[in-house]
Amino acid sequence: DAGVTQSPTHLIKTRGQHVTLRCSPISGHKSVSWYQQVLGQGPQFIFQYYEKEERGRGNFPDRFSARQFPNYSSELNVNALLLGDSALYLCASSLVRGDNNEQFFGPGTRLTVL
Amino acid sequence: GNSVTQMEGPVTLSEEAFLTINCTYTATGYPSLFWYVQYPGEGLQLLLKATKADDKGSNKGFEATYRKETTSFHLEKGSVQVSDSAVYFCALSARGGYQKVTFGIGTKLQVIP
Repeated sequence: DAGVTQSPTHLIKTRGQHVTLRCSPISGHKSVSWYQQVLGQGPQFIFQYYEKEERGRGNFPDRFSARQFPNYSSELNVNALLLGDSALYLCASSLVRGDNNEQFFGPGTRLTVL
Repeated sequence: GNSVTQMEGPVTLSEEAFLTINCTYTATGYPSLFWYVQYPGEGLQLLLKATKADDKGSNKGFEATYRKETTSFHLEKGSVQVSDSAVYFCALSARGGYQKVTFGIGTKLQVIP
């Protein structure tokens, strides 16, 4: 079975631009979460979506938004990019069934803002 | 809120040395605990997990025991290899439903031949 896939792999943008990152979960997983990993730090939670509804939001500005589609894939959008948005953006999917909330991570999208 | 504290690296060991990476946590209730590994240029891989007190997670020679009394989940391996060089993240997730994973800062391990 395919794991979590993300696109693109790498992306270079300039300050003030907008970016859209994409994620496809493992087949059968209905929850998708997004994390930001700045170089040298642990991943920080941005959003969690389940059944197309936002279920959790981390401490990120409104420039960050996301959505989940009927096929459970997801997009993360970031507007008005800042230099500090440069990071590895990780997507994770999970079953979210009872206490089974183990998350499976994709390879990430590395965003560089110049 | 929930938090994870792990020892800062880098940790440099010779091949076949014993490894311990300390991790303590703060959380309400009984969280699930995880160790993730990140190899250079790659995403996160789940290394092992434990879901209740005194559970021992193990994988690829790595072990960690869920210690509720000390709120710890230290990672150990008896004999490290060069291929174990990576960044290791301790993490927790509250039980039930739509819970985010809270990560520690990560500990970089370098194993030299």
